[in-house]
Amino acid sequence: EIVLTQSPGTLSLSPGERATLSCRASQSVSSSFLAWYQQKPGQAPRLLIYGVSSRATGIPDRFSGSGSGTDFTLTISRLEPEDFAVYYCQQYGSSLEYTFGQGTKLEIK
Amino acid sequence: EVQLVESGGGLVQPGRSLRLSCAASGFIFDDYAMYWVRQAPGRGLEWVSGISWSNGDTGYADSVKGRFTISRDNAKNSLYLQMNNLRVEDTALYYCAKGLFGALPYWGQGTLVTVSS
Repeated sequence: EIVLTQSPGTLSLSPGERATLSCRASQSVSSSFLAWYQQKPGQAPRLLIYGVSSRATGIPDRFSGSGSGTDFTLTISRLEPEDFAVYYCQQYGSSLEYTFGQGTKLEIK
Repeated sequence: EVQLVESGGGLVQPGRSLRLSCAASGFIFDDYAMYWVRQAPGRGLEWVSGISWSNGDTGYADSVKGRFTISRDNAKNSLYLQMNNLRVEDTALYYCAKGLFGALPYWGQGTLVTVSS
């Protein structure tokens, strides 16, 4: 079973700054199956990135994903006020199994 | 427009059963694998179960294996989760989600299950 570890647990930044969120897997992940989600309080998760670096429909280009193997990154180039939320990475494995990281909370500094 | 609407949650005592439903619309339901993901209060996301689009292959998290059963009725565009022998630690918001390209682009708003005596 692949374990995803996200860092940092909490990231405190100001609007306009650049955010870099990390996701490390316990073993190599297929690049086709690494995704990122944003979740705001009281809302369902929203898919941001799939296949490591492809933006989902309607996602602004300030969000980008990168990485391979066991190390993946979500970058938000210039933070907007609406970007402060919790972010999860996710991988898809065999037998219809998904694994999520524990989340990174992006808060306003 | 894709819509996923969960129902069936509620307050239940430990050891009892509950059946969740998810009504899907806006897409060809039997073309896609479907999933249940849960989120305990104040906690992260946990994959619970998935079912393939075609022959009904299923998968379960170790935490629910042997107690939960996922199923689908393609004629009714519906997904189900039968939850037996519920435990306090099963308390969570249960989301129904549609799978695509190894990700979950569509989610319902969730149905809350509370297991407590």
